[in-house]
Amino acid sequence: QSVLTQPPSVSGAPGQRVTISCTGSSSNIGAGYDVHWYQQLPGTAPKLLIYGNSNRPSGVPDRFSGSKSGTSASLAITGLQAEDEADYYCQSYDSSLSGAYVVFGGGTKLTVL
Amino acid sequence: EVQLVQSGAEVKKPGESLKISCKGSGYSFTSYWIGWVRQMPGKGLEWMGIIYPGDSDTRYSPSFQGQVTISADKSISTAYLQWSSLKASDTAMYYCARPLRRTYSDAFDIWGQGTMVTVSS
Repeated sequence: QSVLTQPPSVSGAPGQRVTISCTGSSSNIGAGYDVHWYQQLPGTAPKLLIYGNSNRPSGVPDRFSGSKSGTSASLAITGLQAEDEADYYCQSYDSSLSGAYVVFGGGTKLTVL
Repeated sequence: EVQLVQSGAEVKKPGESLKISCKGSGYSFTSYWIGWVRQMPGKGLEWMGIIYPGDSDTRYSPSFQGQVTISADKSISTAYLQWSSLKASDTAMYYCARPLRRTYSDAFDIWGQGTMVTVSS
């Protein structure tokens, strides 16, 4: 059971907009810690898509955007393309009585119909 | 070019020990944390722990504390992930990764290519 909860799967047709949620709690996202997002294509290492809630690294298309509110964050992908079919993960930091450490969401598989 | 290059795939038997490596280049190795991430077959990413090669400050996820050892040799810009007694459940892809900025909770912008560890009798 991941500390951050993501939907197992989402889907959309080419050109559409999809969002992937990442739900945490008061010990991680709700405590003000940043959320980052990764894309993992089959058989490859994860690639950073969004850092610091809403910032895109150089080279990431502006079709990808991130936001955060309260204890949740979201990744939005507009103008869906076939090459966006991949697994997506959110990451944050959790600080509680059990310790302080980095946490990932369980991942969301995006299918482009 | 900033990169992390990991050691090759390993096939081991239960109970054996193992140490895999991650060599950094193209940046000041002692100035950035290096983390390890596990991905079991068909599963998601799990943060295992992280080390700051400059002073060997190491942090572990509670799930991996006592199960693995993370170390680094700054003289050769290499970080390590080590097991003293492997289990079949350690079968996974292991990635090393470097945070974007100099805090260990930051996003990982540089990733190694991964090391596949297979533990089977």
